[in-house]
Amino acid sequence: GAVVSQHPSRVICKSGTSVKIECRSLDFQATTMFWYRQFPKKSLMLMATSNEGSKATYEQGVEKDKFLINHASLTLSTLTVTSAHPEDSSFYICSAGGHRSGRVRGEQFFGPGTRLTVL
Amino acid sequence: AQKITQTQPGMFVQEKEAVTLDCTYDTSDQSYGLFWYKQPSSGEMIFLIYQGSYDEQNATEGRYSLNFQKARKSANLVISASQLGDSAMYFCAMRKGETSYDKVIFGPGTSLSVIP
Repeated sequence: GAVVSQHPSRVICKSGTSVKIECRSLDFQATTMFWYRQFPKKSLMLMATSNEGSKATYEQGVEKDKFLINHASLTLSTLTVTSAHPEDSSFYICSAGGHRSGRVRGEQFFGPGTRLTVL
Repeated sequence: AQKITQTQPGMFVQEKEAVTLDCTYDTSDQSYGLFWYKQPSSGEMIFLIYQGSYDEQNATEGRYSLNFQKARKSANLVISASQLGDSAMYFCAMRKGETSYDKVIFGPGTSLSVIP
């Protein structure tokens, strides 16, 4: 079964509003979570790395004030898109790494993704 | 800087035939991991196969095998006996280091279409 969940799976919002996306590890403690963004027919682009209890590390070119990441517990990380605009419309995917035996060494587990549409 | 290249934006294969999806990578690290993921139209990322930089044997997982040529920095995915359900996007990815706390970067992807 799924080991990482995301909520919501789809969200439509008006321009200027903020949207929060949750990423939860269901059966293990995820000390590190990663947030990716994917445009249609494009690859996954790493936005930031979030470690439980500390500030997220953002990739170059990603606006920290635009994409707020909080990793307050070992099972939950949130991504808040602030003052969303149509160009923020995208597919957002999280992955989690931590103390869970995977099929391979150092496996990360991906959430099912959240499709954001900003009108 | 690390980089993944997938030179085939789209591929077609006849059902039941084998297909090779290319992946080359660039890194100066000694320890790294290589992954292949499948992404169907639903968007979920499905793990297929993994190869560690120190693994001497090529990885295999059912119909999937990874042709790892370390000196050439290539990690091609071979799918044998293609099925209609194999139609999807395929991403090659590289992790710096050996832990689940290390970043993973993705290649641009290859869209595979299996023809009946």
